[in-house]
Amino acid sequence: EADIYQTPRYLVIGTGKKITLECSQTMGHDKMYWYQQDPGMELHLIHYSYGVNSTEKGDLSSESTVSRIRTEHFPLTLESARPSHTSQYLCASSGSIMGLGEAFFGQGTRLTVV
Amino acid sequence: RKEVEQDPGPFNVPEGATVAFNCTYSNSASQSFFWYRQDCRKEPKLLMSVYSSGNEDGRFTAQLNRASQYISLLIRDSKLSDSATYLCVVNTDSGGSNYKLTFGKGTLLTVNP
Repeated sequence: EADIYQTPRYLVIGTGKKITLECSQTMGHDKMYWYQQDPGMELHLIHYSYGVNSTEKGDLSSESTVSRIRTEHFPLTLESARPSHTSQYLCASSGSIMGLGEAFFGQGTRLTVV
Repeated sequence: RKEVEQDPGPFNVPEGATVAFNCTYSNSASQSFFWYRQDCRKEPKLLMSVYSSGNEDGRFTAQLNRASQYISLLIRDSKLSDSATYLCVVNTDSGGSNYKLTFGKGTLLTVNP
């Protein structure tokens, strides 16, 4: 069982609110990822981190921002939520020695912006 | 060319059928390879890693062809519970010994009674 946790699991929030999606892992993994996925659609990488103080934008442009101040914690923030941000957000982590690390996913946060 | 391309699917097969998924990757620097399974409205979970020599886990067999940059997954004697989306995943060196996981779009499998 993977030790990676996301909170909240479900969030319904009004337009214009600031939100932070939490992601924590206890596996000591150096790499962490945020993906966005709409129902029945593919995963889109929006942010990733190779370690503390390292963050990169992913393949899909996103208005969200991330930080990586501690190895185990990789929160995602939306300064002003909009209905177009409604989606599922999945956090993952991987450890790698010689680049052979598989990713473990949290259970996701289903965000609805009304 | 996309970094990781999979059969578009969907696949609809009867119980007991053998089904094969194919995946190609574009970056020859890719180091490791995986198949993930994602059930509807759930997170992806590792099904199996793919090794150069090929590997088998029960009814599932994964193959890697580095020369052709091709990965496959074979499911024998398919069960209703195999119905899910199967994701091909490639771990590629993006420089400075940093590796990035890239997911394919996934192929939806439905096994029918």
